[in-house]
Amino acid sequence: QSVLTQPPSASGTPGQRVTISCSGSSSNIGSKTVNWYQQLPGTAPKLLIYNDNQRPSGVPDRFSGSKSGTSASLAISGLQSEDEADYYCGAWDDSLKGVVFGGGTMLTVL
Amino acid sequence: VQLVQSGAEVKKPGASVKVSCRASGYNFNRYAVHWVRQAPGQRLEWMGWINAAYGDPKYSKNFQDRVTITTDTSATTVYMELSSLRSEDTAVYYCARNYDILTGDFDHWGQGTLVTVSS
Repeated sequence: QSVLTQPPSASGTPGQRVTISCSGSSSNIGSKTVNWYQQLPGTAPKLLIYNDNQRPSGVPDRFSGSKSGTSASLAISGLQSEDEADYYCGAWDDSLKGVVFGGGTMLTVL
Repeated sequence: VQLVQSGAEVKKPGASVKVSCRASGYNFNRYAVHWVRQAPGQRLEWMGWINAAYGDPKYSKNFQDRVTITTDTSATTVYMELSSLRSEDTAVYYCARNYDILTGDFDHWGQGTLVTVSS
């Protein structure tokens, strides 16, 4: 069972906007920054969003992150077929003294 | 920046495995290295981290009795050893770089090492 809670799946059609939620607690999302990773099949995760809403160099601005209280969201606008992947949220947890991840959300582009 | 991991391993239950992660392209001593594993079809699971420069590893409670993370600054390589292997340890093991432990963001990852535990 994951410390951070994500929906197991999400879907959208090309061009649509999709959001993925991540729910935590005061010891992680509520007091620490949230990061999002994209994992394409058979590859290592890739940092997509860090520090709640910052994009690393090279990540398209179609991807955005937000946070409110103990929940965070990843939004993908102008959905493309290559966005089909698993998405994970992660954060440091002060109580566990370690990094915690969500269970992952499988995004399907219909 | 590159993190290059050692190759796939097949181990019997009860054995140990040691996976290496060789770093290049950045100042090795200024970053931490973490280990994250992913069982087939499962979520990411954090195992622990080490300050690449001076050591002082920290482990997840889920692994602290079985995992050892070490660093070799002369070889810019970090190692993760997992002992008393069981079938549930079959997974891809990743190393990942992190600048600030309290932000917990991993900006570069190794390619992953598949460890299969089978009798």
